[in-house]
Amino acid sequence: DIQMTQSPSSLSASVGDRVTITCRASQSPYNNLNWYQLKPGKAPKLLIYAASSLHTGVPSRFSGSGSGTYFTLTISSLQPEDFATYYCQQSYTLPFTFGPGTKVDVK
Amino acid sequence: EVQVVESGGGLVQPGGSLRLSCAASGFTFSSYAMSWVRQAPGKGLEWVSAITGNGGDTYYADSVKGRFTISRDNSKTTFYLQMNSLEAEDTAVYYCARDRGGGGQPYDAFGVWGQGTMVTVSS
Repeated sequence: DIQMTQSPSSLSASVGDRVTITCRASQSPYNNLNWYQLKPGKAPKLLIYAASSLHTGVPSRFSGSGSGTYFTLTISSLQPEDFATYYCQQSYTLPFTFGPGTKVDVK
Repeated sequence: EVQVVESGGGLVQPGGSLRLSCAASGFTFSSYAMSWVRQAPGKGLEWVSAITGNGGDTYYADSVKGRFTISRDNSKTTFYLQMNSLEAEDTAVYYCARDRGGGGQPYDAFGVWGQGTMVTVSS
């Protein structure tokens, strides 16, 4: 199985801050790396697929990059609605695996 | 509008069974692989099971293999998760999710998610 790790596990930030979350895989998922946003009581949302492609309807302040086993999600200017937990996930090989999540809360 | 809606969650005793359903609308259901993903209380997301668009292939996490069965009825645009021999560790919110791209195979991001249905396994 491909193991996914994320750092940090949590961070505190203010509106307008630039936020970067990293995701590492135990082996390369090639570009089959996706990012999701999860809020309590809400359906998860796909933000980024294939490492760097913005999903339909997702604001352009979200961006993804990386290759091999190292990937990043960046929020260029944090907005009030962005306080949430973020997960990376590989869809290269079964079983599909998620990172442990990064919680972004208010500083 | 593209949407998927889960139902069937509830409280069940250890060793019991439950069947979850996920009703889909707004897209060509048979063109998409579908998955179940769960989140235990205070934990992260865990992929549980997937089924190809034509229902011909199914896949399971080791934690549920032999106990859970995924299936679909394309004529009803609905897919299911039959859960048997339930354990306390299966307590979670269960989400159904549709693949993003529509290739019929599951090797894709999860582009559409439901709101989830809670399954509690407790005596």
